[in-house]
This record gives sequence, structure tokens and C-alpha cells, in this order.
Amino acid sequence: QSVLTQPPSASGTPGQRVTISCSGSSPNIGSNYVYWYQQLPGTAPKLLIYRNNQRPSGVPARFSGSKSGTSASLAISGLRSEDEADYYCASWDDSLNGHVVFGGGTKLTVL
Amino acid sequence: QVQLQESGPGPVKPSETLSLTCTVSGYSLSTGNYWGWIRQAPGKGLVWIGSIYHTGNTYYNPSLKSRVTISIDTSKSQFSLRLTSVTAADTAVYYCARDSPTYDAFDVWGQGTRVTVSS
Repeated sequence: QSVLTQPPSASGTPGQRVTISCSGSSPNIGSNYVYWYQQLPGTAPKLLIYRNNQRPSGVPARFSGSKSGTSASLAISGLRSEDEADYYCASWDDSLNGHVVFGGGTKLTVL
Repeated sequence: QVQLQESGPGPVKPSETLSLTCTVSGYSLSTGNYWGWIRQAPGKGLVWIGSIYHTGNTYYNPSLKSRVTISIDTSKSQFSLRLTSVTAADTAVYYCARDSPTYDAFDVWGQGTRVTVSS
């Protein structure tokens, strides 16, 4: 059972806009930044979004992040087949001396 | 170019200690970064194990804290993970990663090493 809650799956067709939600609580998302990682099959995760809505260099503008209260979302516009991957949200949790928490992950399928 | 590479002895028997090392190239461990270990059980999600600063300051996952030790040797450009009293539930791919001060997130990852706990 992950501290951050994500839908297990999401899907969309090429060109479509898809959103993935991440629900937390006061000590984590409610008080700290949210991060998003993309994990392509058989590879290590890749940082996609940092500090709620910032993109590292090299990440396309099709990927965007937002946060409101204790929830966050990742949006992917102009969906492409290569976006098919697992997506994880993460945040810092202030409880128990502080620790990193991840969501359970969302498998995105491009139909 | 920053690169991280995990290494370890291979299969581990139940109740034994899992030991992994992450070797960093192209970047000094003495720079102001945290370095982390994350694992992923087969077909499951990411779980943060813990992180260490170059000074040796550590943060651990509360659910693993009693069994985990992370250490760092800046002279060897390595940081290490020890997980004691392992069970089959510790079978996973173990990743090491750099916690970037620029992004406050894990921005460079090793390729991961698969550890199987089995008798």
C-alpha cells in the first residue's frame, strides 16, 4: 500500500491529452513538492517533472505537472506511442523524521 | 557525464545480509548531494530505501530502517547499501541514484541490479 495513491492504469489514443492523478495527504503533497518519473519497460526511471511543474532540460513541453492541496496531476498532451510507460509520482513526507514516498505507479497504454 | 553503476555478489539466502555498492563516475561524491537507493520488486512500484549525504548524514525508509545501513566512501567514489535479515520480500531490482540539488530529485540513475533472495 503506497502512501501516494495513483490509478493503476490509464490509456489514450495518439494525439490525445491524458492526465494521471496522484493523491496524498498533509505531511507529503500538502507540504512539499511533487515529482514525476517515467519508467519505460526494462529501464531505470527518468525524472520528468520536478518541484510540481518544472521540466528538466530535454523533457518535452508535452509533459506538464500541477499541484493543488494534497493532490497532483501529470498531463501528457499530443500523446505518442513512445509515451507508453509506467509513471510514478513522488514527494517528501515530513512524518517519522522525514522520508521519500512514491505512488504505486500508473501504467499508461497508448491505444 | 555522470554515471552510476550498481554491483553486488548476486543471490542472497534468507536471513543473510544483502550488500550492494554504487560506483559513481564523472562526478565527485564530495559535492553537495544526497545519494539514494531505491528498489522495485517484480511487477511492483518504486520504493525508496534511503539516502546519504557526502558528510554521512542519512535518511531511511521508516519501514526498512531497522535493517538498513547506507554508507559512503568519497575517496573511492562509492556509496553502499547493507540490508540485514533478508527474506523473499526483499527480492527486487535495486537502483542507486543521484539526488540532484538542481532538481531536488533523483536525476541520474544506475541501470539497476537484480537481487534474488532464495535458499
